[in-house]
Amino acid sequence: DIQMTQSPSSVSASVGDRVIITCRASQGISSWLAWYQQKPGKAPKLLIYAASNLQSGVPSRFSGSGSGTDFALTISSLQPEDFATYYCQQANSFPYTFGQGTKLEIK
Amino acid sequence: QVQLVESGGGVVQPGRSLRLSCAVSGFTFSTYGMHWVRQAPGKGLEWVAVISSDGSNKYYGDTVKGRFTISRDNSKNTLYLQMNSLRAEDTAMYYCAKDRRWDVLYGMDVWGQGTTVTVSS
Repeated sequence: DIQMTQSPSSVSASVGDRVIITCRASQGISSWLAWYQQKPGKAPKLLIYAASNLQSGVPSRFSGSGSGTDFALTISSLQPEDFATYYCQQANSFPYTFGQGTKLEIK
Repeated sequence: QVQLVESGGGVVQPGRSLRLSCAVSGFTFSTYGMHWVRQAPGKGLEWVAVISSDGSNKYYGDTVKGRFTISRDNSKNTLYLQMNSLRAEDTAMYYCAKDRRWDVLYGMDVWGQGTTVTVSS
């Protein structure tokens, strides 16, 4: 199975900051990676698919990059509504797997 | 309006069975792959299973393989998860999710609100 490792596990940042969350796959997954945002008590929300494609309706301050084993989710200018937990997920091979999550907190 | 509504969760004893349902509306169900994803209390997301748009292909996570069965009825716009031999570690919120496409490569773009399963004696 492919293991997905996110860094950091948690991060504190301020409104307006630029934040980068990374995700590393234990083997190459081409560009078959998605990013999700989850707020407490809510279902996850798709942000990015196929590593760098912005899901419809998602603000342009979110962007994704990478291929192979190393990926990143960048939030260019944090807004109050962005404080949440973020997960990466590989869709290269079954079983699909998620990263352990990165909790983004207000500094 | 695209909507997924899970049902069937509850409290069940270890070793028993439970069947979850996910009723969908607002899109052509038969043309999309569908997933189940779960989240134990206070933990991260765990992918459980996926089924292809026509139901011919099914894949499972390692922890549920051989115990859980995913299925769908395209005539009823409903996704199912049959869970047998339940264990305490199956306790979680269970979400159904629609894939962006039939080939299940592009992420899960619509999620239900979840249904809670608690396995306890």
